[in-house]
Amino acid sequence: EAGVTQFPSHSVIEKGQTVTLRCDPISGHDNLYWYRRVMGKEIKFLLHFVKESKQDESGMPNNRFLAERTGGTYSTLKVQPAELEDSGVYFCASSQEGSYNSPLHFGNGTRLTVT
Amino acid sequence: GENVEQHPSTLSVQEGDSAVIKCTYSDSASNYFPWYKQELGKRPQLIIDIRSNVGEKKDQRIAVTLNKTAKHFSLHITETQPEDSAVYFCAALFHSASKIIFGSGTRLSIRP
Repeated sequence: EAGVTQFPSHSVIEKGQTVTLRCDPISGHDNLYWYRRVMGKEIKFLLHFVKESKQDESGMPNNRFLAERTGGTYSTLKVQPAELEDSGVYFCASSQEGSYNSPLHFGNGTRLTVT
Repeated sequence: GENVEQHPSTLSVQEGDSAVIKCTYSDSASNYFPWYKQELGKRPQLIIDIRSNVGEKKDQRIAVTLNKTAKHFSLHITETQPEDSAVYFCAALFHSASKIIFGSGTRLSIRP
């Protein structure tokens, strides 16, 4: 089966610009997660979708971040306007059932650099 | 709060020796603890996991132990090989929120 795919793999933008990251989960996986890793720190939870619904968005840093999953398939994460501290690697993961019953499958991540 | 502490942040061991990475978690209701390995430039991949109904699980050279009373769990890699070099992340499922929280990672280097 195809794995979780993320696009783009890298993005370099200037402070104040907008960037949209995309994640295509494994087909049939209802659960989709966004995580972020800043250099040397933990993989930090951002939010969790079950199908098209936001199950938990407690990790979203602020209202400059907007995640959507229209139709319950792929998801986008938009950062507008981007700030320097938004730099990091953004990972998407999907699982067939909830986290207890099935493992997370990660994408390769999008490395975002805000200059 | 929801927190997973991981130590050490870096670890260097001689090829053939054992490596141990330790984690603690804050939510006593957590019942699922996966470990992920991330090789340079690649995606994190699940290498082993343990549920709270067992105290130890082993898969070839990798083992994980869990002490629910103390709220800590550890990854043990025996007979280390060069391909074990990577960043390892522990994680815990915070049942109240049904989300996986990760530790800060351990960069393991295997010296030839």
